[in-house]
Amino acid sequence: DGGITQSPKYLFRKEGQNVTLSCEQNLNHDAMYWYRQDPGQGLRLIYYSQIVNDFQKGDIAEGYSVSREKKESFPLTVTSAQKNPTAFYLCASRDRDRGPVNTEAFFGQGTRLTVV
Amino acid sequence: GEDVEQSLFLSVREGDSSVINCTYTDSSSTYLYWYKQEPGAGLQLLTYIFSNMDMKQDQRLTVLLNKKDKHLSLRIADTQTGDSAIYFCAGNTGFQKLVFGTGTRLLVSP
Repeated sequence: DGGITQSPKYLFRKEGQNVTLSCEQNLNHDAMYWYRQDPGQGLRLIYYSQIVNDFQKGDIAEGYSVSREKKESFPLTVTSAQKNPTAFYLCASRDRDRGPVNTEAFFGQGTRLTVV
Repeated sequence: GEDVEQSLFLSVREGDSSVINCTYTDSSSTYLYWYKQEPGAGLQLLTYIFSNMDMKQDQRLTVLLNKKDKHLSLRIADTQTGDSAIYFCAGNTGFQKLVFGTGTRLLVSP
């Protein structure tokens, strides 16, 4: 079955450590996204990628890094520079825009990162 | 950039209708979406509306779009306890960005 998979579901990190969240999709989608969710703040865009080997900063990119070496994969690294990394992280993928044809975004089940 | 605002909380009784509202600032979105999030899970697309439409009905769901006022609403008829979740509105802006609202937590009581 096609879908988008995030791993792990729960992740604990010590302060000062980098950690990488995985996101894989087999939907053959061009675009992939990383969002951060905090209570009462909705989803905020961290990074997005429209095509392999290309990505753009979203609204809250500081302290995060990404890569897009393969179409299927868009890992997110939370670096020690991110001051408040404890949050729920959601990855999504979507086919490219095609004018009036709607392209739905599919979401993974999320990774809850806790800094201890 | 785009701002999308929603009220944070809505409480209804089972069987009543629920209306979740959303206002946005950027009118360039081609589509506007409603997503549902169950606790501890990702988002699932509920429905969407093309920006040149005023209304879309899909079973118990009715979406109303007022482009003049930049207001989007989702009405759930005959609300059930299984509808309890967080509901997000979203719009697509340039460069394939999806911008989400703050989310409305719907609580349905028996």
